[in-house]
Amino acid sequence: GNSVTQMEGPVTLSEEAFLTINCTYTATGYPSLFWYVQYPGEGLQLLLKATKADDKGSNKGFEATYRKETTSFHLEKGSVQVSDSAVYFCALYNTNAGKSTFGDGTTLTVKP
Amino acid sequence: NAGVTQTPKFQVLKTGQSMTLQCAQDMNHEYMSWYRQDPGMGLRLIHYSVGAGITDQGEVPNGYNVSRSTTEDFPLRLLSAAPSQTSVYFCASSSHRGATEAFFGQGTRLTVV
Repeated sequence: GNSVTQMEGPVTLSEEAFLTINCTYTATGYPSLFWYVQYPGEGLQLLLKATKADDKGSNKGFEATYRKETTSFHLEKGSVQVSDSAVYFCALYNTNAGKSTFGDGTTLTVKP
Repeated sequence: NAGVTQTPKFQVLKTGQSMTLQCAQDMNHEYMSWYRQDPGMGLRLIHYSVGAGITDQGEVPNGYNVSRSTTEDFPLRLLSAAPSQTSVYFCASSSHRGATEAFFGQGTRLTVV
């Protein structure tokens, strides 16, 4: 079946530090990959996505590259801000399954 | 567009009471789902639907019922509330066409006492 494994949290960084949150997946076929962000008290919202191998998704300074050979989709940001404090979810959508599969989420706290 | 609308935002129930959490989307999405989010547990799928008249169980369906009579609406019913159902509930919708990103509602925070 499909599964998503995320780097365990919580992660605490100082402002302007480099961020990496690891994500690996198991799926049949060619899934689409996503990162969602959840700010306190809100629902999840799409941060970025990639639909095929070697695609790079980017938004708000965050990037992730679809690596089929390592089945990974790691999230990176060069310089985090306090406003980036949130929970980040890696997810995949596989047409074979007809539904999304989410990782457990990683809580990021950025301190000034 | 309103996107995905959930009501109510907050609810307190007594053990044994029943209630319905409402979810509506205005994007003509085929796929809708309900999740619960508990501390340290991520998102757990309760029920989902791939279209009007079609529903299926997720990983934690016990104690919940759903129906999908229209494309827009996907209510979640708690039959007899239990303290273990205290959680934050999210409804989501997506399309089978395109990149199929999920759109989430703002959530319902439910407390069962």
